[in-house]
Amino acid sequence: QSVLTQPPSVSGAPGQRVTISCTGSSSNIGAGFDVHWYQQLPGTAPKLLIYGNNNRPSGVPDRFSGSKSGTSASLAITWLQAEDEADYYCQSYDSSLSVRVFGGGTKLTVL
Amino acid sequence: EVQLVESGGGLVNPGGSLRLSCAASGFTFSSYSMYWVRQAPGKGLEWVSSISSTSSYIHYADSVTGRFTISRDNAKNLLHLQMNSLRAEDTAVYYCARVGPTVAFDIWGPGTMVTVSS
Repeated sequence: QSVLTQPPSVSGAPGQRVTISCTGSSSNIGAGFDVHWYQQLPGTAPKLLIYGNNNRPSGVPDRFSGSKSGTSASLAITWLQAEDEADYYCQSYDSSLSVRVFGGGTKLTVL
Repeated sequence: EVQLVESGGGLVNPGGSLRLSCAASGFTFSSYSMYWVRQAPGKGLEWVSSISSTSSYIHYADSVTGRFTISRDNAKNLLHLQMNSLRAEDTAVYYCARVGPTVAFDIWGPGTMVTVSS
């Protein structure tokens, strides 16, 4: 069981907006530690998508955005495209465990 | 080009050993903490081990403590993971990753598959 909780799956039609939640606790997200998001396309390594809660690395489209509030964070994807179909993982730091922790991952299906 | 490339994976019997390596290029390897993250088939990401830039700080996940040893050679831009007493549950793709200035895993290797089976 992951320290950070994500829905196993979400789906949306092309052009729609979807959000993926990441729920933590007072020892990780709620303690103020940054949340990062990764996109893993089928058969490939994870790729940094959002860092520091709401920042995009160079080359990541502005259709992807992140937010954080309290003990939770969210990834929003607007104008959904077929190429967005992938697994998405949130990640933070947990002060009780003293390690970086991942969410269980969410599979995005573009209908 | 900033790049990480893992090697050393393969099929090993339970109780056996493997040594993974990760070759870094395109950045000042000696300035960054490095990590091993694994992904079992069909599962999520799991942090395995980390090492600071000068090897002063080393940490392991409880699941591998006492069996795995992380090390680095800054002169050769190499990261290693010595895996002993391997178990079936260690079967996974092993990624090396860099924690960059953003404090996120900003560079990942393509991964190397480790299969523990008789």
